[in-house]
This record gives sequence, C-alpha cells and structure tokens, in this order.
Amino acid sequence: AQKVTQAQTEISVVEKEDVTLDCVYETRDTTYYLFWYKQPPSGELVFLIRRNSFDEQNEISGRYSWNFQKSTSSFNFTITASQVVDSAVYFCALNTGGFKTIFGAGTRLFVKA
Amino acid sequence: GAVVSQHPSWVICKSGTSVKIECRSLDFQATTMFWYRQFPKQSLMLMATSNEGSKATYEQGVEKDKFLINHASLTLSTLTVTSAHPEDSSFYICSAEPIFKDSYNSPLHFGNGTRLTVT
Repeated sequence: AQKVTQAQTEISVVEKEDVTLDCVYETRDTTYYLFWYKQPPSGELVFLIRRNSFDEQNEISGRYSWNFQKSTSSFNFTITASQVVDSAVYFCALNTGGFKTIFGAGTRLFVKA
Repeated sequence: GAVVSQHPSWVICKSGTSVKIECRSLDFQATTMFWYRQFPKQSLMLMATSNEGSKATYEQGVEKDKFLINHASLTLSTLTVTSAHPEDSSFYICSAEPIFKDSYNSPLHFGNGTRLTVT
C-alpha cells in the first residue's frame, strides 16, 4: 500500500524562524516520485519540487531546502528565515509511476509577523 | 508554460441543479486529466481520471452517475455535478499531464480550483 504521512497538522512560527515540515512515505515500489506543493489561501496548488527515488541528493532553492532520506522514507522540507508570505498549506505527494498521485494530509503553516 | 485553466472559480447553485466545471490545458495537450476534491482543511482526494476519447476511471466510492466526466478533446475535460446537494459543496481541482513530458513524471499541473456551494 502507498501512503504519505504528514504528522504535523499545523505549525506556527514567528517571521525569520526556520521551520521544517515532515513527510514520511510508504511504498513497495523501487521507482517512485515525491513532490511538494504549496496551497496558499487563494486555493491554487503551486509545484515546489519533484524528486525521484534514485536521486537522494538534497536540494536547496533560495530559502527552501529538501532532505530526502530513503533509509527513513522521509522527504522533509525546510524553510529558512520564514516570511509571512510562506503561510500556506503544504502538501507532500507520492507517485509510483502510474497516474495516481497520493497526497498527504497537508501541514498548515502560519508565519506571524 | 504548462498552464491549466479551470472555470468557473466559484459557483453557487441550488440543491437539485447541475453544475459543470471546465478544465482546459492552455498550452499543451493532455490525454489524461485528473479531478480532485478537497473538503475544508483536508487533503486532495482523487475522484477520477479523465481519459481523452474514452470513459473516465473513477476511484472507489465516487458515484459515476453523480459526477459525470467528459474528455472530448486533448485540451478540455469537464466535470458535471448532477442533482447537486449541500454535501457536494467542496473545492474541486483539476490537473493535467502533458502528452510530451520533459522527463518522466513531470509535476502535475493544477487548475486554480472551483469552489462549489450548494444551497
């Protein structure tokens, strides 16, 4: 069975703090893809990153960084020096090569000024 | 590139009426589009996979006769909520996968969603 767990329902931080959003996935497939999406209050989904199962390199994009560890089946997302505009719901998602993408429950991030 | 347009962005309808939601890929062709439903403060749940020129594939528990899907062209899929009831009120989001991908499993490209309120 495939599953994505985002254990943190809500996180509240003060601006400029660093924050890490956890994502743990389950799959028996050896080839799979992991994604992070951002959903701001307006509702649209914004693609942040895709990582395939053969690429465990961590990635940094500006204030965003991702830590992919197959040994613990985790794909965590860190925002450095958070800003109010980062307030949104963040979804981790898993695709095992078919058409179906499974989303985690989402983590709602509040960044206070 | 890879823009998906969804229309309308919000709609209010009376119980018992039907509502049609359109999902268009503006700058690419998509043989496959997906319809998701999102209840407030919940995750996205896949409702059905829309296949151009053939019948949609529905997820378990989704009523085919209530949520009619038509994918008549490579750029348009429609979802019709028939005989809508208040419990159908939700946020509906479509996504599309380009036929020609720059790499395997490109990110899904999402529309901006449709907020349906049934009174």
